[in-house]
Amino acid sequence: DADVTQTPRNRITKTGKRIMLECSQTKGHDRMYWYRQDPGLGLRLIYYSFDVKDINKGEISDGYSVSRQAQAKFSLSLESAIPNQTALYFCATSDSLTPGRLFFGSGTQLSVL
Amino acid sequence: GENVEQHPSTLSVQEGDSAVIKCTYSDSASNYFPWYKQELGKRPQLIIDIRSNVGEKKDQRIAVTLNKTAKHFSLHITETQPEDSAVYFCAASRTNDYKLSFGAGTTVTVRA
Repeated sequence: DADVTQTPRNRITKTGKRIMLECSQTKGHDRMYWYRQDPGLGLRLIYYSFDVKDINKGEISDGYSVSRQAQAKFSLSLESAIPNQTALYFCATSDSLTPGRLFFGSGTQLSVL
Repeated sequence: GENVEQHPSTLSVQEGDSAVIKCTYSDSASNYFPWYKQELGKRPQLIIDIRSNVGEKKDQRIAVTLNKTAKHFSLHITETQPEDSAVYFCAASRTNDYKLSFGAGTTVTVRA
């Protein structure tokens, strides 16, 4: 089945460490997104990319960076992790015909100690 | 930017009863409104969406209504079943960019 795969599924790290979360998709979608989910706050957009050469900041991009290595790969980096970046992170994709219909990955639970 | 408010934050219903979740949005230019369902430990999945040129849309036991004048939209689940227990998120965006802004979520519990 075509899918959106995130690695790792869980990660515990320490304050100040650099960490990368990876996302790959076999759906052939051109659009990819990174969201974080916090209890009581819903899903908030960190970065999004509409094609390989396009990178855009979302509503909460401070402290994060991204790389779109190929149409199928979109990685999220935390250059110097801090405890309030502890959250559940989701990668999502959509295609240009139905761009509002997001397909989410299985999520990465990140804990920063 | 867009601000989406969602109520209630939790909802408990008896199996077979109806559930209604309401959302309001701030950007009058928003014209696309999807709803996502997230079961415990799972990823969010789209269950229904509506565009501003339509006032209501139904899909089996779920329906969404939209009032553009009042800037609010609602999800209605009829004849609730245990498998409807989940967190439901509303969202809104403009169709020129589809940058979704999500509500905070509603945890629905269906009591047997």
